[in-house]
Formats: sequence, structure tokens, C-alpha cells
Amino acid sequence: AQSVAQPEDQVNVAEGNPLTVKCTYSVSGNPYLFWYVQYPNRGLQFLLKYITGDNLVKGSYGFEAEFNKSQTSFHLKKPSALVSDSALYFCAVRDEEAGGFKTIFGAGTRLFVKA
Amino acid sequence: DTGVSQDPRHKITKRGQNVTFRCDPISEHNRLYWYRQTLGQGPEFLTYFQNEAQLEKSRLLSDRFSAERPKGSFSTLEIQRTEQGDSAMYLCASSLSRTDTQYFGPGTRLTVL
Repeated sequence: AQSVAQPEDQVNVAEGNPLTVKCTYSVSGNPYLFWYVQYPNRGLQFLLKYITGDNLVKGSYGFEAEFNKSQTSFHLKKPSALVSDSALYFCAVRDEEAGGFKTIFGAGTRLFVKA
Repeated sequence: DTGVSQDPRHKITKRGQNVTFRCDPISEHNRLYWYRQTLGQGPEFLTYFQNEAQLEKSRLLSDRFSAERPKGSFSTLEIQRTEQGDSAMYLCASSLSRTDTQYFGPGTRLTVL
């Protein structure tokens, strides 16, 4: 069965510092991996995805993520955090072997960026 | 706005009443998904349509829940005899293909009193 773990409920970082939000996954087949961000009273907004190809994926708002197959991880990173990056971040996985349509989300990590 | 839209945005109902939510996907997307999100949790998959065919239903979707997508365009999610445990945000998403990104609507927040 597919699963996603976001080990940190909350990440605190100072503005201008690099940030990392961690994600590990478990699937039977090849994973499709996604990061979404959710602002208060808003729907989920897509940030980036890994389907195949380069392990380093670049997405919206300066975010990037690195697919590491051996560690089954897909950590979200940004070189320099902004206060406006403060939000709830969700990692998600779809299992190609399971049909690739059912997306499993992690519990989310709340990011606080202090000015 | 050509994104996914959902209606209503908020619904307050009394226990035992029936409610229906609507989702309009991005127009060229033939895949549509429903999720439920409770406070402090990530979205949980409920069901999936490819065109008008409902291809998968989660075990979370009890007999009181039904979803339709009659013409392969908009979809409705109905909850019969609502219970307080049904209180949640109901999210709809659509995508163009199996590997494509799922784009989410703003959600319908249901409160069952």
C-alpha cells in the first residue's frame, strides 16, 4: 500500500535562510510525487511534481525538490525563505502500479517564516 | 477564471439532512476526483471519475455517500442523513491524464450541527 510521511508537524525558519520540508514515501511501483501548498481558507495549490527524469525538480515560487529513490524521499527546498512562504505544505504520492490516479497525501507540515 | 470551481463554498446543515455539492472541473480535463480533508490532516481520497465512469471508490465512502458525473463534465457529491462526523472540507480536483497534475478547487466546508 502506498503511504507518505511528513515527519515534522512544523518547521520554523528565519527570512532569508534556506528551508527544507521533509517527505518520505512508500509505493509498490514507480512513484509520482507532488508538493502542494495550502494557505488559510484556500484550496491546495500545486508547487511541483516528479514523474520521471531529472531527480531535481524546480517548481513555482522558487521551490525545488529532490527525488532520492534509495532513501525514498522527496524533500522540498528553497534557498531563501520569504515571510509569504508561511503556509501548510503537503507532500503527495501516486503509485503507477496501482493505476496512478489515487493520490495519498501526507498530514502536512506547517512552515513559519519569521521576519 | 478557468480553474476548478465548487459550490457552495460553505454549508451548514442539521444532522439527518441531505446535502449535495457541485464541482465544475477545468473544461478539458476528463478526470475528476473527490477528497475529504479534516482539520490538521491531509486530503483523503474518496472517489475518481474518468469521463462519466466512476472507476474507484474509497472505503471511506459509506453507503450514505454517492457521487455522479452524468455527462462527463460537472460532478455532484451527495451525502444522505448527515452525521456530525461528516463535518469536513470536501475538495474536488481534476486532471487531464493519469500522470498529469491534479488541480484543486477551493473546497466546500460542511458543518453538521
